[in-house]
Amino acid sequence: EPEVTQTPSHQVTQMGQEVILRCVPISNHLYFYWYRQILGQKVEFLVSFYNNEISEKSEIFDDQFSVERPDGSNFTLKIRSTKLEDSAMYFCASRLGSGANVLTFGAGSRLTVL
Amino acid sequence: GNSVTQMEGPVTLSEEAFLTINCTYTATGYPSLFWYVQYPGEGLQLLLKATKADDKGSNKGFEATYRKETTSFHLEKGSVQVSDSAVYFCALSESTNAGKSTFGDGTTLTVKP
Repeated sequence: EPEVTQTPSHQVTQMGQEVILRCVPISNHLYFYWYRQILGQKVEFLVSFYNNEISEKSEIFDDQFSVERPDGSNFTLKIRSTKLEDSAMYFCASRLGSGANVLTFGAGSRLTVL
Repeated sequence: GNSVTQMEGPVTLSEEAFLTINCTYTATGYPSLFWYVQYPGEGLQLLLKATKADDKGSNKGFEATYRKETTSFHLEKGSVQVSDSAVYFCALSESTNAGKSTFGDGTTLTVKP
């Protein structure tokens, strides 16, 4: 069964460092998403991406965050200058297209900021 | 805005017990409703869904019925197994952005033999 793959599974970084989380969505999917889950809290929507641009973003997704699809395969989330409160599990998800509202999630990337 | 409220956990049951995890929602339109499951060390997997009122989603012995009148989508299973131990998330999405989902807090289920 097709799956969404995420790397790394766990990253530890120092506060202020840049982090890039990578995702390979399902190949024929057209819509891409990032969610995060701070330990013990809800899964929260960060951003949606379609046709090579952001279609919607949450208040959490401030100027420190960016997304891109550099090569038609990978979908990356960059955090420019990490803060302690960015420590969380980050989930990538993809969706086939219009009329298909089922998301397929990756296993997540755990980010720990020290 | 949209919100999802789940029954607080954790829930601990013996094998073959009946499971109910309550979920209620608030939404401005006519959302689709979902239950996701997260097994230890894994990502979120769609368990079942319902897209309109009175629809029943079912999968792997789990069921949930979309109740518009009570704005609820309670998860049930008649006889749980140890392998059902996981975290269960109720979620909704609006038709205007089908991938933007609002999640509940998650309920941790532990089934003991």
